[in-house]
Amino acid sequence: AIQLTQSPSSLSASLGDRVTITCRTSQGISSALAWYQQKPGKPPKLLIYDASTLQSGVPSRFSGSGSGTDFTLTISSLQPEDCATYYCQRFLSYPLTFGGGTKLEIK
Amino acid sequence: EVQLVESGGGLVQPGGSLRLSCAASGFTFSDHYMDWVRQAPGKGLEWVARTRNKANGHTTEYAASVKGRFTISRDDSKNSLYLQMDSLKTEDTAVYYCARDRRASVTGWGGDAFDSWGQGTTVTVSS
Repeated sequence: AIQLTQSPSSLSASLGDRVTITCRTSQGISSALAWYQQKPGKPPKLLIYDASTLQSGVPSRFSGSGSGTDFTLTISSLQPEDCATYYCQRFLSYPLTFGGGTKLEIK
Repeated sequence: EVQLVESGGGLVQPGGSLRLSCAASGFTFSDHYMDWVRQAPGKGLEWVARTRNKANGHTTEYAASVKGRFTISRDDSKNSLYLQMDSLKTEDTAVYYCARDRRASVTGWGGDAFDSWGQGTTVTVSS
């Protein structure tokens, strides 16, 4: 099965900072990657699909990039409500693996 | 408004069975692939199973960890998704979410993502 490695597993950043989370796959998946945000006690929320397409209603400070094996989720200016855990998920073949998650905290 | 509401979770002994349900509303259920995703306490997300849409014959896919023990199914006439869980193990303890693939009436890959999720139902496997 294709492995999905997400990094870092946790990070702490200040309000207004630019934050970058990466996701790497063991085999190329074109642009078949999605990003989710999850807050405690809540289901995940879709942020990005097709590696770089912003889901409707998601603030424009979130962006995604990459193709093949290396992908990035960027928050351009960190806001208090962005404190959450972020997951990537790959498609294109089964199983539909999720990354291990990145817990983002505000300094 | 798209709504997904899970039910059927609870406490079950190892080796036991449980059937989860997910009631869908606010969209054409038969057009969408539907999935189950779980999250063990304090852990990350794990994809469990998928059922394709009517156009693709409701065919199914499973994670290796549940294949042969879990069965995903759907009843488009009732806008409902199910997960029959047999031979349950302690490691199946988790919150189980149903999720909708955002694409409608398509085949193959492209643009896949889970754009709607239920609130989850908790399954605890313990003696």
